[in-house]
Amino acid sequence: AQSVTQPDIHITVSEGASLELRCNYSYGATPYLFWYVQSPGQGLQLLLKYFSGDTLVQGIKGFEAEFKRSQSSFNLRKPSVHWSDAAEYFCAVGNAGGTSYGKLTFGQGTILTVHP
Amino acid sequence: NAGVTQTPKFRVLKTGQSMTLLCAQDMNHEYMYWYRQDPGMGLRLIHYSVGEGTTAKGEVPDGYNVSRLKKQNFLLGLESAAPSQTSVYFCASSSRDRDNEQFFGPGTRLTVL
Repeated sequence: AQSVTQPDIHITVSEGASLELRCNYSYGATPYLFWYVQSPGQGLQLLLKYFSGDTLVQGIKGFEAEFKRSQSSFNLRKPSVHWSDAAEYFCAVGNAGGTSYGKLTFGQGTILTVHP
Repeated sequence: NAGVTQTPKFRVLKTGQSMTLLCAQDMNHEYMYWYRQDPGMGLRLIHYSVGEGTTAKGEVPDGYNVSRLKKQNFLLGLESAAPSQTSVYFCASSSRDRDNEQFFGPGTRLTVL
C-alpha cells in the first residue's frame, strides 16, 4: 500500500529565510508525486508535480522539489519565504493505470507559519 | 470556467439526518473524488469515480454513498449522519490528459450535532 509521511506537523520560519518541508513516501513502483498548498478556508492548489525525468522540479510561487529515489523523499524547498506563503502544505503520491488511475494518498500536512 | 464547485459551503445537521453534497466540474474530467479532511490526518479518500455511472470505495467509505449519473456531477450522500462525520469535505476531479493533476473545489464544512 502506498503511504506518505510528512514528519513536521508545524514549521515556523522568518520572512526571507529559506524553507524545506520534508516528505517521505512508500510506493511499490515509480511514483507520481505532488505538493499542494492550502490557504486557510480554501481548497488545495497544486504547487508542483513529478512524474519522470529531471529529479529537480520547479513549481509556482518560487517553490521547487527534488525527487530522491534512494531516500524515498520528495522535499519541497524555497530559498526565501514570503509572509504570503503561510499555509498548510500537503505532499501526495499517486499511481497510474487500471481502475486506480488518479488516486492520491496524502500526507498529514505541514503547517507553515511565517514571522515578519 | 468555474472549475470545481461544491454545494453547500456550510451545513449543520443533527444526528440521524440525511443530506447530499453536490460536486460539479466543467472541465470534462473523467475522474472525480470525494475526500474528507480532519485535523492532523490530511485528506482521506472516501469514494471516487473513473467515469459516468461508475463509483468505487476509497479509504474511508463507511457511512457514505455516492452517485455519478452525469459526467460533470458527483454526489456524496450521508444517509444517517453521525458526529464522527463532522469534517470538511473536498471534491476533486482529474483527467488522464492532464497528468493526473487533481483540481479541488473550495470545500464544504459539515457539522453533525
